[in-house]
Amino acid sequence: DADVTQTPRNRITKTGKRIMLECSQTKGHDRMYWYRQDPGLGLRLIYYSFDVKDINKGEISDGYSVSRQAQAKFSLSLESAIPNQTALYFCATSDFPGQGYTFGSGTRLTVV
Amino acid sequence: GENVEQHPSTLSVQEGDSAVIKCTYSDSASNYFPWYKQELGKRPQLIIDIRSNVGEKKDQRIAVTLNKTAKHFSLHITETQPEDSAVYFCAASANYQLIWGAGTKLIIKP
Repeated sequence: DADVTQTPRNRITKTGKRIMLECSQTKGHDRMYWYRQDPGLGLRLIYYSFDVKDINKGEISDGYSVSRQAQAKFSLSLESAIPNQTALYFCATSDFPGQGYTFGSGTRLTVV
Repeated sequence: GENVEQHPSTLSVQEGDSAVIKCTYSDSASNYFPWYKQELGKRPQLIIDIRSNVGEKKDQRIAVTLNKTAKHFSLHITETQPEDSAVYFCAASANYQLIWGAGTKLIIKP
C-alpha cells in the first residue's frame, strides 16, 4: 500500500549530537511536511516543501534543517540536539496544499 | 495569520452518548476544515472534512458542521463506542497550510 515511512521509530541521543530523521513516501505526493508534537500543544509545523526545489520554514524552524533529496524523500536534521527537542516527530504528505494529509508513524526522539 | 482554538481539551462521555468538539478560526479566507483522530501511540488519521461551501457533512456516526458567519465548526460523534477513545484534532486551511487546534482527548466511560 502507498504509505509514508519514517525512520527511526525511536531514538535516544545525547545533547550536542547531530541527528537526522528520515521520511520516504510512495504516495506520489509533491508536498511534504515535518511536524513536532508535544503533549498539550498539538502539532507544530517545523518545515514544509511543495516540490524538490522548494523549502519553507514553519512556525518552529529554529534548531532544525531539512533536505528534500527527491520527490519521495524529506529529511529533518537537528544540528546540535538539546533536551527541549525531545518530542514526537511526524512527517506528512499531501496531494494539495493544506489538504489530504497522510502522516507517517512518527519518530519518538529523546535528547538526554 | 490564522489561529484555531479547540474546546474542550478533555471530554469524558458515557458509552452510547454523544460527543461534541468545537473549534473556532480567525481567518475568513479559510476554506477547508478537516478533523483528525489520533489513537494512543499512533499517527493522526483523517476522519472527516468539510469545505466552506457546505454547511454539514455526515459519515455514519460522525458529522461536522460549519458556521462561516461565526467562524466555528464542530465534530459530532453519536452513539459513542470504546474505540472512539482518542485525541481529536481540528484544523483550518489558510494560505495553503493547515493550522491545527491543540487537540481534544475524548474518553469513553463504560
